Amino acid sequence: GQNIDQPTEMTATEGAIVQINCTYQTSGFNGLFWYQQHAGEAPTFLSYNVLDGLEEKGRFSSFLSRSKGYSYLLLKELQMKDSASYLCAVRDTDAGGGNKLTFGTGTQLKVEL
Amino acid sequence: ETGVTQTPRHLVMGMTNKKSLKCEQHLGHNAMYWYKQSAKKPLELMFVYNFKEQTENNSVPSRFSPECPNSSHLFLHLHTLQPEDSALYLCASSQERSSSYNEQFFGPGTRLTVL
Repeated sequence: GQNIDQPTEMTATEGAIVQINCTYQTSGFNGLFWYQQHAGEAPTFLSYNVLDGLEEKGRFSSFLSRSKGYSYLLLKELQMKDSASYLCAVRDTDAGGGNKLTFGTGTQLKVEL
Repeated sequence: ETGVTQTPRHLVMGMTNKKSLKCEQHLGHNAMYWYKQSAKKPLELMFVYNFKEQTENNSVPSRFSPECPNSSHLFLHLHTLQPEDSALYLCASSQERSSSYNEQFFGPGTRLTVL
């Protein structure tokens, strides 16, 4: 089975940097995804890590440590539009076909002036 | 239409009704998924279809019945639902390749209310 933990809520200031953590305990691991979901909208893909280290994509970066079962999403130069829920998801190693993801509950980020 | 579309966007039904949710992906993907999203709970994977074949049924009650007639369309047939089945039902698709992220693209969801 999979267990994924992330904080429920975070608040940060416009222009600042925020780090959203995700820890996981899984029976198998084949990559970790971060998705962004605005209220009432579909989740959209942000980043993917399968090897240890940092992946950078513009204002967003994601880090993975497989030995620690730990990832974080780093958002720089925060903007009001970054207020959303950020979902951490782990992909299973099950090769049954398709792409089995287990999601955390999501971290609701509020960006304030 | 582009991406993943879902209809209807909102649905209210009684416990004795039968209804269907429809999902269509315009991305040429070979895998499709149904998820349930309830308040304060993680996205729950319900079903996975790979090349039209069901490869995952995540212990979903039989009152939910999926159908995948082709790689572009996915249905979720609903009958005799319970109020606790009220949730946002999300469809997603992905292109399964051995050397890629294989990220899933989500539709906007159907907000279901069971009275």
